[in-house]
Amino acid sequence: DAGITQSPRYKITETGRQVTLMCHQTWSHSYMFWYRQDLGHGLRLIYYSAAADITDKGEVPDGYVVSRSKTENFPLTLESATRSQTSVYFCASRYLREGDSPLHFGNGTRLTVT
Amino acid sequence: AQTVTQSQPEMSVQEAETVTLSCTYDTSESDYYLFWYKQPPSRQMILVIRQEAYKQQNATENRFSVNFQKAAKSFSLKISDSQLGDAAMYFCALNNGGSQGNLIFGKGTKLSVKP
Repeated sequence: DAGITQSPRYKITETGRQVTLMCHQTWSHSYMFWYRQDLGHGLRLIYYSAAADITDKGEVPDGYVVSRSKTENFPLTLESATRSQTSVYFCASRYLREGDSPLHFGNGTRLTVT
Repeated sequence: AQTVTQSQPEMSVQEAETVTLSCTYDTSESDYYLFWYKQPPSRQMILVIRQEAYKQQNATENRFSVNFQKAAKSFSLKISDSQLGDAAMYFCALNNGGSQGNLIFGKGTKLSVKP
């Protein structure tokens, strides 16, 4: 089925561990994004990508790493997880950078860092 | 800097009644787009409605409509004939046309629907 999928849906990890959240889209959208959602903050942009091999920082990039070797995949890695990174993470893609082209979201990953 | 403000953290409405969710924004762009997204307890983010700043006519999608006041930088969402399934978190978002291509989101309004 066409769409954007995230895995895992839930993840519990310990402080200091590395964890990778996966994101895969089947639309061949150029633009992809990682957001984190926290109560009282809405959605904040972590990283974005305009195309394969082109990535850049968003509003809250510290502690995160991304890569995009293929158009359809955009994994997010927490190099050394901290409790402040406990959050719900959303991957999204977009056909066009501008206009009324909406963001299409995955179903999110709830990450708990203990 | 572009900002989006949702001043109502929580709202409540009786089933079949009408409710309006507020959103104000700030941008220096003359052309931009605004969106409302719905997030039910399933966590899924669902596009509800979108509006182009250059269009005078307010967007409508079935029971959902917006009141877009460009001069006041206001973009409120009206839900008519509220249903139990409308209970969700609602996010207002701005496309500022920047190089990132991302949307800037408000903090959300949690809507409860009473039977």
